Amino acid sequence: AQTVTQSQPEMSVQEAETVTLSCTYDTSESNYYLFWYKQPPSRQMILVIRQEAYKQQNATENRFSVNFQKAAKSFSLKISDSQLGDTAMYFCAFIDSNFGNEKLTFGTGTRLTIIP
Amino acid sequence: EAQVTQNPRYLITVTGKKLTVTCSQNMNHEYMSWYRQDPGLGLRQIYYSMNVEVTDKGDVPEGYKVSRKEKRNFPLILESPSPNQTSLYFCASSFGVKNYGYTFGSGTRLTVV
Repeated sequence: AQTVTQSQPEMSVQEAETVTLSCTYDTSESNYYLFWYKQPPSRQMILVIRQEAYKQQNATENRFSVNFQKAAKSFSLKISDSQLGDTAMYFCAFIDSNFGNEKLTFGTGTRLTIIP
Repeated sequence: EAQVTQNPRYLITVTGKKLTVTCSQNMNHEYMSWYRQDPGLGLRQIYYSMNVEVTDKGDVPEGYKVSRKEKRNFPLILESPSPNQTSLYFCASSFGVKNYGYTFGSGTRLTVV
């Protein structure tokens, strides 16, 4: 079974700084997909970024980018120029490429606080 | 507006009293899923559905039932709720999770006393 580990339960950073959230996963599959979700205090789950394992290039969405290290099974999220609105829980998630599998497996989350 | 609608948003109930949390999506998604979120445990999948009349268990299905009689609706049923089912519940839907991830509802905070 696949597992997703987020080893930083909480982090805080000053506004405008850059912060990196860590995520590692365990799988025997060669192809899979990885996601980062954001959950602000409103508790809505918002998709931040998606990465396909067979793509070498790291995904980027505006101030959000990932560092995907397939051999190390690592998928970290970098937030540049952090803003107060980035304060949220962040969840890393994994799904393998097997047909019929629609189970997205989540990590335990990192609570990020942006300090004014 | 494209969305997943869950009701109720908050619910307090007593042990053993059957309840249903409704979920509806207006995006014509094939795939729907229920998750529960607990502190320190992240989100865990309860059940999922690949299409009408096709459902399967996730990681924590005990004590829950689902049905998918229509494409847009995927209710979660607790036949005899217990305090360990106190949690935040999310319904989610997708055209294909690998390519699009899930679109989530706004959550239902359930307390069983």
